[in-house]
Amino acid sequence: AQSVTQPDIHITVSEGASLELRCNYSYGATPYLFWYVQSPGQGLQLLLKYFSGDTLVQGIKGFEAEFKRSQSSFNLRKPSVHWSDAAEYFCAVGPNTGNQFYFGTGTSLTVIP
Amino acid sequence: DVKVTQSSRYLVKRTGEKVFLECVQDMDHENMFWYRQDPGLGLRLIYFSYDVKMKEKGDIPEGYSVSREKKERFSLILESASTNQTSMYLCASSLSAGGLGSDTQYFGPGTRLTVL
Repeated sequence: AQSVTQPDIHITVSEGASLELRCNYSYGATPYLFWYVQSPGQGLQLLLKYFSGDTLVQGIKGFEAEFKRSQSSFNLRKPSVHWSDAAEYFCAVGPNTGNQFYFGTGTSLTVIP
Repeated sequence: DVKVTQSSRYLVKRTGEKVFLECVQDMDHENMFWYRQDPGLGLRLIYFSYDVKMKEKGDIPEGYSVSREKKERFSLILESASTNQTSMYLCASSLSAGGLGSDTQYFGPGTRLTVL
């Protein structure tokens, strides 16, 4: 069965520091991969997605993610974090066929001044 | 921009009440979804619909039903609310009926339901 693992429940970084949020998936074929962000009290907003092609994907708000097939990973990165990036981040997998997305349990990001 | 709206941001109900959560999308999307979000569990799919009057169960359909009479509206119904249904409920929509896994899902702001 498909699954998504976000190993870090909570991460704290200083403003201006770099950020990497981890995501590992379990799926037989190359899946569709997504990162969403949820600000407090809000719904989820798409940051970026990977379907095929270049394994380094650029998204909104200065985020990028790299698909590594050999590691079954799709980690999210940002070179310099801003206080407004404090939020919860979800990695998700959509299968090549079928109807269901699978979400990770989320990583909560705190940014300290 | 796609807009997904949910009828209430906060809702407080009593055990045993019938609860309706409404979701409306304005971009003519084929697919609509209901998730519940709980701390440490992420998002779990309750039901989804790929067409009017069509629905499929997700991972946790027990205690819930849905209705989609019009393309733009997808309702989640708690037939008899229980305290373990206290949660954040998120509605989402996506564009096409085929290849659902590739579609970006657009989310509403969520309804925080408390059942006393």
